[in-house]
Amino acid sequence: RKEVEQDPGPFNVPEGATVAFNCTYSNSASQSFFWYRQDCRKEPKLLMSVYSSGNEDGRFTAQLNRASQYISLLIRDSKLSDSATYLCVVLPGGGYNKLIFGAGTRLAVHP
Amino acid sequence: GAGVSQSPSNKVTEKGKDVELRCDPISGHTALYWYRQSLGQGLEFLIYFQGNSAPDKSGLPSDRFSAERTGGSVSTLTIQRTQQEDSAVYLCASSPIPTDTQYFGPGTRLTVL
Repeated sequence: RKEVEQDPGPFNVPEGATVAFNCTYSNSASQSFFWYRQDCRKEPKLLMSVYSSGNEDGRFTAQLNRASQYISLLIRDSKLSDSATYLCVVLPGGGYNKLIFGAGTRLAVHP
Repeated sequence: GAGVSQSPSNKVTEKGKDVELRCDPISGHTALYWYRQSLGQGLEFLIYFQGNSAPDKSGLPSDRFSAERTGGSVSTLTIQRTQQEDSAVYLCASSPIPTDTQYFGPGTRLTVL
């Protein structure tokens, strides 16, 4: 089983739609969680950290479910510019100081 | 301030040649990572440097790959006797501490003919 698993998509949604991605992780001791965004042929960039209580940044909401070992990203009112690959990232903890990246979920927002 | 920079941005080489890729991390960042990403694939971890500690080389795919980080700053990734399967984008990232956000450079696109 992969340490971080994501549905590769693509998710094809119209502008204005709400879309949600889930990501599961295997290490129950994982400490920190992030969502990164990667545009085509560009480097990944931090979108938002994911906090235990859940957090929101504008149209983006991130949730953590430790019991079920998954994190989610909700995008409301999708824009064309949201089209990208969204990477789920986990810090396993336990002295293991490398972030583990999921393979990404591709989102395509169309007019 | 300045972000992570990488050079060259593109490198085309012939099979069997050696290549060196350079990464300049953000000043003051103690952790430095190398990844590679093949077309349409996820990030593959290669190697990780943290301060003066011995690097974590667990992701290097073969002994043709090596990396150095001099003076705790600039890093070079060397690929000897390149093969066509080495063709990928090589990404460098740095972070202030290992458990913090990683900031990526623009990558070096390596093409082995």
